[in-house]
Amino acid sequence: DIQLTQSPSFLSASVGDRVTITCRASQGISGYLAWYQQKPGKAPKLLIYAASTLQSGVPSRFSGSGSGTEFTLTISSLQPEDFATYFCQQLNSYPRTFGQGTKLEIK
Amino acid sequence: EVQLVQSGAEVKKPGESLKISCKGSGYSFTSYWIGWVRQMPGKGLEWMGIIYPGDSDTRYSPSFQGQVTISADKSISTAYLQWSSLKASDTAMYYCARQAATYRSGWYYYYMDVWGKGTTVTVSS
Repeated sequence: DIQLTQSPSFLSASVGDRVTITCRASQGISGYLAWYQQKPGKAPKLLIYAASTLQSGVPSRFSGSGSGTEFTLTISSLQPEDFATYFCQQLNSYPRTFGQGTKLEIK
Repeated sequence: EVQLVQSGAEVKKPGESLKISCKGSGYSFTSYWIGWVRQMPGKGLEWMGIIYPGDSDTRYSPSFQGQVTISADKSISTAYLQWSSLKASDTAMYYCARQAATYRSGWYYYYMDVWGKGTTVTVSS
């Protein structure tokens, strides 16, 4: 199985900050990576797929980059509604796997 | 509107069987894979397995192979996740999600774009 490791696991930031979350794969996955946002008590929401393609309706302050084994999710200017947990997922091979999550909290 | 509607919360005893459902609407149910994802209380997302309702092709995570069964009835646009003998450790939220694909530069890029609201399963004696 491909392991995904996110860093950091916890992140404290303020409204307006620029934040970056990293996802590292245990082996190369080309660009087969998606990012999801999950708020408490809600289902995950797709933000980005194919490493850098913004899902329809997702604000442009979210962006993704990377290929191979290292990927990043960047939020350019944090808004109050962005405080949530973020997960990466590889879709290069089965079983699909998720990173352990990054909880983004208000400082 | 494309949506996946999951069955309601379940409370079961260890050793009991259970089958939860996920009904798709607003799209061609047989043309997209449907995956199942577990989230234990306070924990992350775990990919369990996936089924293609068009031909019932199914893939499992090794962690869940033999522990659960994924099936689908395309006549009623519904996917299922079932257990034959529940354990307390099966207590979790279970999500179904549609796996979509975009074709780009000769390759298909997959992603889970539509999610159900989840089914809470509680197993307790």
